[in-house]
Amino acid sequence: SQQGEEDPQALSIQEGENATMNCSYKTSINNLQWYRQNSGRGLVHLILIRSNEREKHSGRLRVTLDTSKKSSSLLITASRAADTASYFCATDGQGAQKLVFGQGTRLTINP
Amino acid sequence: DAGITQSPRYKITETGRQVTLMCHQTWSHSYMFWYRQDLGHGLRLIYYSAAADITDKGEVPDGYVVSRSKTENFPLTLESATRSQTSVYFCASSEGLPIQETQYFGPGTRLLVL
Repeated sequence: SQQGEEDPQALSIQEGENATMNCSYKTSINNLQWYRQNSGRGLVHLILIRSNEREKHSGRLRVTLDTSKKSSSLLITASRAADTASYFCATDGQGAQKLVFGQGTRLTINP
Repeated sequence: DAGITQSPRYKITETGRQVTLMCHQTWSHSYMFWYRQDLGHGLRLIYYSAAADITDKGEVPDGYVVSRSKTENFPLTLESATRSQTSVYFCASSEGLPIQETQYFGPGTRLLVL
């Protein structure tokens, strides 16, 4: 069963625009992580936000977490063609030893 | 800096055959994981291991067997492959508890069961 659900499933924007992806989850969490997957590759960790944090930045990435709404968002500013990838959220809502991944948002950046 | 590697990268087999997918990490991470990725299902955890000789089931363990005799290796065996096991398999590792640590993923093995 999925803990994290990303929205939208697919997003297509022009280079230079900002991209926002959302993740909703069902049970209480200790942290939430975002990963990127380029086509044909393994996942790469982007950022981890803990349940007591509301916002975190890493370069052009901004992640927010609202535990009252059980949701998180990933904002990529000033998008580039190289940002074209699938983005997944992952939560620990099913125990400390496991992460549960959502189905991902497929982001396409058009030049 | 080899990181985490998987072999083979591509595999075609027939139903009923035994297949073993290999995973090797060079960091001495405690935790290792096997996921499968299918369209419409995202990543689903098959098995994980907290240390050598300690393994546990994930969300979809049926039809799979794992072992971890050495910290750096975590092979996944399909004892009798079925078409429904056609998928992309990812191995991952983390230094500590998944709730606290980043997971590092291998490049994946694409398995086709005919």
